[in-house]
Amino acid sequence: AQSVTQPDIHITVSEGASLELRCNYSYGATPYLFWYVQSPGQGLQLLLKYFSGDTLVQGIKGFEAEFKRSQSSFNLRKPSVHWSDAAEYFCAVNTGTASKLTFGTGTRLQVTL
Amino acid sequence: ETGVTQTPRHLVMGMTNKKSLKCEQHLGHNAMYWYKQSAKKPLELMFVYSLEERVENNSVPSRFSPECPNSSHLFLHLHTLQPEDSALYLCASSSSRLAGGFAGELFFGEGSRLTVL
Repeated sequence: AQSVTQPDIHITVSEGASLELRCNYSYGATPYLFWYVQSPGQGLQLLLKYFSGDTLVQGIKGFEAEFKRSQSSFNLRKPSVHWSDAAEYFCAVNTGTASKLTFGTGTRLQVTL
Repeated sequence: ETGVTQTPRHLVMGMTNKKSLKCEQHLGHNAMYWYKQSAKKPLELMFVYSLEERVENNSVPSRFSPECPNSSHLFLHLHTLQPEDSALYLCASSSSRLAGGFAGELFFGEGSRLTVL
């Protein structure tokens, strides 16, 4: 079965600084990969997804992620963080065999001014 | 209304109560999901209704009972819950893979925060 690991439970960055959130997956083939964001009191919203092709994908709100097959990783990045980016970020995978996602435990991002 | 709407947003119940959570989607999707979100744990998929098929997570206790009367509505019936069932319950919808539409994008409601005393 596939699994997702987000090794950082909590990250704090200063506004304007760059950000990288880590995600590693375990699956025999290349899964479909996703990043979701959850603001306080809200449901989850899709930031971006990777199915195939270009390994650098662009998402909403200025986020991007890079798929690295050799490292089984799909890290999320943003060049300059805004205070409104403070939220919890979830990496997820789908193996394409069913309409369901397997989520990581999430990384809580705190942004200091 | 648009999107995915969940009611109630907050629910406090005793262990002997019976209550229901409701989810409604106005996105024209044909798959709906219940997820459980507990602190420091991955989101746990509880149930999937896809084109009126039901997919269960066999680890979900029988005190949780889903109902999907049509593609726009989903319920989670709760009875004789335990304190460890306290969590945020998230409803989501998507296009169904069986209909050739699943692209991994789930649309979530804001959740129902359940507290079991």
